[in-house]
Amino acid sequence: KNEVEQSPQNLTAQEGEFITINCSYSVGISALHWLQQHPGGGIVSLFMLSSGKKKHGRLIATINIQEKHSSLHITASHPRDSAVYICAVRSRYGNKLVFGAGTILRVKS
Amino acid sequence: NAGVMQNPRHLVRRRGQEARLRCSPMKGHSHVYWYRQLPEEGLKFMVYLQKENIIDESGMPKERFSAEFPKEGPSILRIQQVVRGDSAAYFCASSPMTGANTEAFFGQGTRLTVV
Repeated sequence: KNEVEQSPQNLTAQEGEFITINCSYSVGISALHWLQQHPGGGIVSLFMLSSGKKKHGRLIATINIQEKHSSLHITASHPRDSAVYICAVRSRYGNKLVFGAGTILRVKS
Repeated sequence: NAGVMQNPRHLVRRRGQEARLRCSPMKGHSHVYWYRQLPEEGLKFMVYLQKENIIDESGMPKERFSAEFPKEGPSILRIQQVVRGDSAAYFCASSPMTGANTEAFFGQGTRLTVV
């Protein structure tokens, strides 16, 4: 079992829909990151969380430390949100990031 | 303040050649991480370096791969005698410090193709 599990693997949504991507992890962490990667592109950090909730524009990220679970929400989705969204955790005892497999999101107009 | 710069963006090598991938961290960042993304797979940690020191190389293959981060200049990931299985996207990330609340800033990646 991977240390970081994401669901769903693939997600297709209609423009305007509310989207949720989930991430569960099995290790003790010091922080959790949500990243975005466009096809053939670089990786952009969206959020870094260690507790609670963060909001940036139409993106919201939450984390529940007790349940070892985080969600990334996109409100009023748009085709330009189409990308791979990756959850990554930083172990409490190390510095490296451990990544989920990613969620491929496609938003249709 | 330029972001993390990786070059080249694309690199094609024949089997048996050497590949050198460069990463210039953000200004003021002394911590560098290399990650590899194999086709259809997720990102995997390779190596973590601070200036002139390898801190954690637990994710790096024992043979043919090496990394350095000299006092002056970029971090280099070197792959000797490349094989087709080395074809992947290699990403570098940098941070100003280590610790729980440290943001990591990623480069655009180097896409290595071994033919």
